[in-house]
Amino acid sequence: AQTVTQSQPEMSVQEAETVTLSCTYDTSENNYYLFWYKQPPSRQMILVIRQEAYKQQNATENRFSVNFQKAAKSFSLKISDSQLGDTAMYFCAFMRYAGGTSYGKLTFGQGTILTVHP
Amino acid sequence: GAVVSQHPSRVICKSGTSVKIECRSLDFQATTMFWYRQFPKQSLMLMATSNEGSKATYEQGVEKDKFLINHASLTLSTLTVTSAHPEDSSFYICSARAWDRGQENTIYFGEGSWLTVV
Repeated sequence: AQTVTQSQPEMSVQEAETVTLSCTYDTSENNYYLFWYKQPPSRQMILVIRQEAYKQQNATENRFSVNFQKAAKSFSLKISDSQLGDTAMYFCAFMRYAGGTSYGKLTFGQGTILTVHP
Repeated sequence: GAVVSQHPSRVICKSGTSVKIECRSLDFQATTMFWYRQFPKQSLMLMATSNEGSKATYEQGVEKDKFLINHASLTLSTLTVTSAHPEDSSFYICSARAWDRGQENTIYFGEGSWLTVV
């Protein structure tokens, strides 16, 4: 079974600054996906960024980037130039890379509440 | 992009009654859907995997007779909370894997449903 751990229950950052959210995971799988999801007060789950484990290059999406360390089983999210709209709960998630009906099942971390201050 | 619609967004029911929540993929076929439960300020916990045309697979600790899942078509899965009690009050959210769009690693979430049992 996989586990995902987010050790920062809450984080805060000033607008325009950079913040890094931590995530570690444990798995015996070699092929998998990792995700960061944003959940604003509306509760809608919004995909922020995705990383395939077989790719060594860290994924980036505009102001969002990850530091993926496969050997250390670490997957942190860096948000640059933080904006007020980034205020939300952020979840790190793991998904196996395999076929079958369980494919698509996500294991989530505990979440980190990020507050961006003006 | 793909859309997963969940209905109702909010529902209040009396203790002892049953309530049904629908999860519908609007522009793709979803042979597998997933149902999660989320308590305030907590993570998403997988309840069950809904498989089209077959029985759902429940996670350990989830009562299958209480949380009935039906996936009768390639675009619709329903979660019925039977004999609801106040402790069943929670946020329920579904997700679906866009298998037929060449986006096997993309998971789409519904908007979620708030259930309040009074």
